[in-house]
Amino acid sequence: AQSVTQPDIHITVSEGASLELRCNYSYGATPYLFWYVQSPGQGLQLLLKYFSGDTLVQGIKGFEAEFKRSQSSFNLRKPSVHWSDAAEYFCAVGPGAGSYQLTFGKGTKLSVIP
Amino acid sequence: GAGVSQSPRYKVAKRGQDVALRCDPISGHVSLFWYQQALGQGPEFLTYFQNEAQLDKSGLPSDRFFAERPEGSVSTLKIQRTQQEDSAVYLCASSPREGGNEQFFGPGTRLTVL
Repeated sequence: AQSVTQPDIHITVSEGASLELRCNYSYGATPYLFWYVQSPGQGLQLLLKYFSGDTLVQGIKGFEAEFKRSQSSFNLRKPSVHWSDAAEYFCAVGPGAGSYQLTFGKGTKLSVIP
Repeated sequence: GAGVSQSPRYKVAKRGQDVALRCDPISGHVSLFWYQQALGQGPEFLTYFQNEAQLDKSGLPSDRFFAERPEGSVSTLKIQRTQQEDSAVYLCASSPREGGNEQFFGPGTRLTVL
């Protein structure tokens, strides 16, 4: 069964600092990988996705993520965080063979210090 | 264009009441998904529709949960005899493709069962 681990429940960074959110996945084949962001009271917004090809993917709002098959990781990065980036971030994998669902991690809450 | 919309945005129910949650997907989207997001957790898959056919309902937690999409557009998630553990945010997502490897989420309905 597919699964996603986000080891950091809560991260606090200063505005302007760099950011890396960790994501590890378990999947039986080449995964489809996603990062979503959720602001309070809002739905999930897709930041970026990896299906195949270049392992460094660019997303919206200046975010990027790198797929590393050897480490089963898909970490999200941003070189300079803005106060408006404070939100909850979810990594997801899927859908897979015989399954239509996305499997999400438990999320990492990002706080930004002005 | 219009995104996925859900109604109501907030619902308070007394234990034992029946509730119905509505999802309007993006026009023309073939795939529709329901997820349940408990407080502090990532979304968890409930069920999947391809047009009007419910192809996967493996995530529905009990037979009190029922979903339908009779005309392949609007979907309703019904919960009978609500219990406190049903309190969560219910998210709907739609996708233009079969299988839904890119899902667009609505804002969710927050259900509180007293």
